[in-house]
Amino acid sequence: EIVMTQSPAALSVSPGERATLSCRASQSVSSNLAWYQQKPGQAPRLLIYGASTRATGIPARFSGSGSGTEFTLTISSLQSEDFAVYYCLQYNNWPQWTFGQGTKVEIK
Amino acid sequence: EVQLVESGGGLVQPGGSLRLSCAASGFTFSSYAMNWVRQAPGKGLEWVSGVSGSGGGTYYADSVKGRFTISRDNSKNTLYLQMNSLRAEDTAVYYCANVQKLSVWGKGTTVTVSS
Repeated sequence: EIVMTQSPAALSVSPGERATLSCRASQSVSSNLAWYQQKPGQAPRLLIYGASTRATGIPARFSGSGSGTEFTLTISSLQSEDFAVYYCLQYNNWPQWTFGQGTKVEIK
Repeated sequence: EVQLVESGGGLVQPGGSLRLSCAASGFTFSSYAMNWVRQAPGKGLEWVSGVSGSGGGTYYADSVKGRFTISRDNSKNTLYLQMNSLRAEDTAVYYCANVQKLSVWGKGTTVTVSS
């Protein structure tokens, strides 16, 4: 079973600042890594797939990088609507997905 | 418009059963594997079960194996999750999601297991 570990668990950031979120896989998932944003009471929203490709309609301030076991989601200049929980997802051995435990991005 | 709509959630006693449905529209349902994902209150996302496009391949998380059964009816564009022997720890919002179209998720249906 592939284990996904996100860090940090929570991140306090001021609006306009940069946020960097990490996700590590216990074994290689190639580039089969996605990032989701989730707000309270809502379904997850796809931000990034293929480790670095932005989904349709996602602003350019969101970027993803990495391959193999180490991945990063960067939000270049946090807007008020970006405060949420972010999850990474490996889909390398579909249909069995594995999610990270989430990183909560909070207002500083 | 591509859409998934879950239904069938509710309050059930421990040991009881429930069947969830997920109605799909806007894409060729039979061409895609589908997953169920759940989220317990205040917790993260957990993959529960998956099924191939034809329905011939089914997959389960260890936490639900032997209790839950995933199936699909491609003539009705509908995915199902039969949940038996429910436990308090199965309490969650259950989402259906398209395995290959990663952006396609339903809004979820809530299952509460409590006496």
